[in-house]
Amino acid sequence: TQTVSQSDAHVTVFEGDSVELRCNYSYGGSIYLSWYIQHHGHGLQFLLKYYSGNPVVQGVNGFEAEFSKSDSSFHLRKASVHWSDSAVYFCAVSSNNYAQGLTFGLGTRVSVFP
Amino acid sequence: DMKVTQMPRYLIKRMGENVLLECGQDMSHETMYWYRQDPGLGLQLIYISYDVDSNSEGDIPKGYRVSRKKREHFSLILDSAKTNQTSVYFCASSLRAGEVFFGKGTRLTVV
Repeated sequence: TQTVSQSDAHVTVFEGDSVELRCNYSYGGSIYLSWYIQHHGHGLQFLLKYYSGNPVVQGVNGFEAEFSKSDSSFHLRKASVHWSDSAVYFCAVSSNNYAQGLTFGLGTRVSVFP
Repeated sequence: DMKVTQMPRYLIKRMGENVLLECGQDMSHETMYWYRQDPGLGLQLIYISYDVDSNSEGDIPKGYRVSRKKREHFSLILDSAKTNQTSVYFCASSLRAGEVFFGKGTRLTVV
């Protein structure tokens, strides 16, 4: 059984600040880890994913995430947030059989203030 | 332009009515999904389709059925809708593992 835990339900930051969103997972096999962003009233948009290789992966709009096998984590970071980064961020895991679908965390809402 | 399109965007139905949610994608992806999103529960997988007429139950299939007669289209059907099926429904498609394209969602209210 795959589980995904996002420890922060809501994060508040100011424009220009850095932000880190935490994601921990449990799964006993090879997995894909990914992050998605959901702006209010919209569907989820893919940000980045990791499967193997360099544990730091770059995504769109300055986002990056770092995989840690020892911590079972895949935290998302951005060095300098913009007001348009206000959204809900979802961490997800899937097996290498992608036809089994994604298992999502409950999401972290990020509010960016000017 | 890669896109997953859902129709309608908003829908109000009475309890016991049948509901049809439609989804199309223009990327020729074999795999498509239906999820529902509820506050506090996140996104839950209802059904997966691997291709035309090849569908599999997800985590919460009870009360739902699906139809996929063309690769580009994947429908979710609620026979005799219930109030606890009030939710936002997302259709999605995927070509590569871990990377899924989502539609904008259908907000269904069952009264």
